[in-house]
Formats: sequence, C-alpha cells, structure tokens
Amino acid sequence: DVKVTQSSRYLVKRTGEKVFLECVQDMDHENMFWYRQDPGLGLRLIYFSYDVKMKEKGDIPEGYSVSREKKERFSLILESASTNQTSMYLCASSRGDRDYQPQHFGDGTRLSIL
Amino acid sequence: DAKTTQPTSMDCAEGRAANLPCNHSTISGNEYVYWYRQIHSQGPQYIIHGLKNNETNEMASLIITEDRKSSTLILPHATLRDTAVYYCIVRGSGNTPLVFGKGTRLSVIA
Repeated sequence: DVKVTQSSRYLVKRTGEKVFLECVQDMDHENMFWYRQDPGLGLRLIYFSYDVKMKEKGDIPEGYSVSREKKERFSLILESASTNQTSMYLCASSRGDRDYQPQHFGDGTRLSIL
Repeated sequence: DAKTTQPTSMDCAEGRAANLPCNHSTISGNEYVYWYRQIHSQGPQYIIHGLKNNETNEMASLIITEDRKSSTLILPHATLRDTAVYYCIVRGSGNTPLVFGKGTRLSVIA
C-alpha cells in the first residue's frame, strides 16, 4: 500500500513565524502535491512537483514556497505565517511514468496560526 | 478538465448498496473518471478510476455509461464506516493535478 506521511497532524504557530510542513512518501513516486482544504472552498492546489528540484505553481501559491531535494520528500514552507493560512494542509503523491495514475493522500496537517 | 455534478447529500441503510451518481456531460475522449472519499478529519482516499469500461476493485464498482456522460459509484454493502464525502473527478492526461468539487455527503444509517 502507498504510504504518504505528513510530519504533524496538528500544529500551532504564531504570526510571522517561518513554518515548515514535511511530507514523505515511500512508493518512489515522481509526482508530489500540496493542497489546502478550507470549509466551503474544497481542496485547492498550492504547489506540485514532477521531479526532484522541480516545482510548479498551483492555484494559490502566494505566501508559500516548496522544496524537493529528494524524491521521497516534499516540503511546504510558509515564509511568514499569517492568520489566513490557518487551514488543513494535505500532501499527495502519484506515479509519473504513466498517465492517469491516481494520487494518494496523507492524513493532513491541521495548522493554526495565532 | 471537464466539470462534474453530484448530489449534495445521500442516505443509505447499513448493509444495502450505496449508488452515488455523477454527471460529467462535457467529458472528452482522453479523460478518466476518478472517485475519492474523505472521512472526517482524514485525507482523501482513492477508491477507483476508469475510462469507459466498468471497473471493480475490493472497495467499489464504477459503472460508466456508454456515452461516458455520467457514472455511478457502487458500494455493494455499505457500513457505518463508509460515511464520508465522496468526490467524482474527471481528469485528462499528463498527470495534471486533481480538481475537487463539493462532492456528495453519504450518510450510512444503522
């Protein structure tokens, strides 16, 4: 079974802090994604990566950056956290060698910015 | 990617089959239909996907109409643990990111 592990289930940080959310997958997947989920807005894509050291902006990249130094790890960085970044953050991965491969998600990190 | 339309909510008696419909009338020839579900406070869980043939796995069956404009996800014997929001997603090629809509909130009732 695919395993996507997010480093924390719950996290509380203060406004202005630099926040790191970590995601690791154990299936040698090429593609990795970061989404956020908010009530009434559904899932929205922040960033994604098709390969090591590659990144692409999603629908809402402002205020975020990402890092993919190793194939199995994809980090989401909040450069200066703000209260409107309080949300559920979800990481996903998928195979890249064939089209139409499904994405597999972690259990999410519920981040609160005070 | 084509848009999908799903009912907002549905109820199903425990032990009965749950049939969740999805309309995707603008689907194009190379787009697949994916189903995910999300149980409260967890990440979305992949269920099944298909192009035009019906598909079945250990979790569910996917029935796609011949014109591919709609599909139905079938949970053959629903349990209380199947209570979740179910998302129908249509996606093209190239490993493009998924676009989640509002989904259907399925409540399985004892």
